[in-house]
Amino acid sequence: EVQLVESGGGLVQPGRSLKLSCAASGFTFSNYYMAWVRQAPTKGLEWVASITNSGGSTYYRDSVKGRFTISRDNAKSTLYLQMDSLRSEDTATYYCTRSGADWGQGVMVTVSS
Amino acid sequence: DIQVTQSPSSLLASLGERVTITCQTSQSISNNLNWYQQKPGQAPMLLIYYATSLQTGMPSRFSGQYSGRSFTLTITSLEPEDIANYFCLQHYSAPWTFGGGTKLELK
Repeated sequence: EVQLVESGGGLVQPGRSLKLSCAASGFTFSNYYMAWVRQAPTKGLEWVASITNSGGSTYYRDSVKGRFTISRDNAKSTLYLQMDSLRSEDTATYYCTRSGADWGQGVMVTVSS
Repeated sequence: DIQVTQSPSSLLASLGERVTITCQTSQSISNNLNWYQQKPGQAPMLLIYYATSLQTGMPSRFSGQYSGRSFTLTITSLEPEDIANYFCLQHYSAPWTFGGGTKLELK
């Protein structure tokens, strides 16, 4: 059974950093394109970043470029999202997803002073 | 970026009714579109992938079709457990883009 478990969320002040993790199991992690998607309270879904199976290529939405970094450790079957210079508009539940097919339960990030 | 326009944004339907939701993309994406169901407080659940393929374990009353840049999700006979939000996602090219969502409620 595919499992994706996010962690690392919480309350953080504007301008500070946070690192999310997504522990994967039940499949060969290194074979899959992974992504982070977020959902602000009562809003729709918004793709944040993606990474190829090898980690060789990464993609970001414009609003997070230069602030967020997606990475992966295939030996640990773990996906990461380093979030720097956080803004109030980054407040959302962050989901990791395996190629859009399987999703974690999400982790809440609140950016507020 | 590829824009995805989803309609309607909300929908009132009766049990047993046929329900159709549409996504229109701003450019051709072939069949690179998925449909998701999301209930409050839960993660999205994949219903349909590559526009027409039913995800394993999903009820057969869900189906997807497409023609050109227009994609439809159909529920042939609405069940109580289908009350949820529905989203489409184009994964043809980065940035992936989602439709705005459809809130399906009981009439």
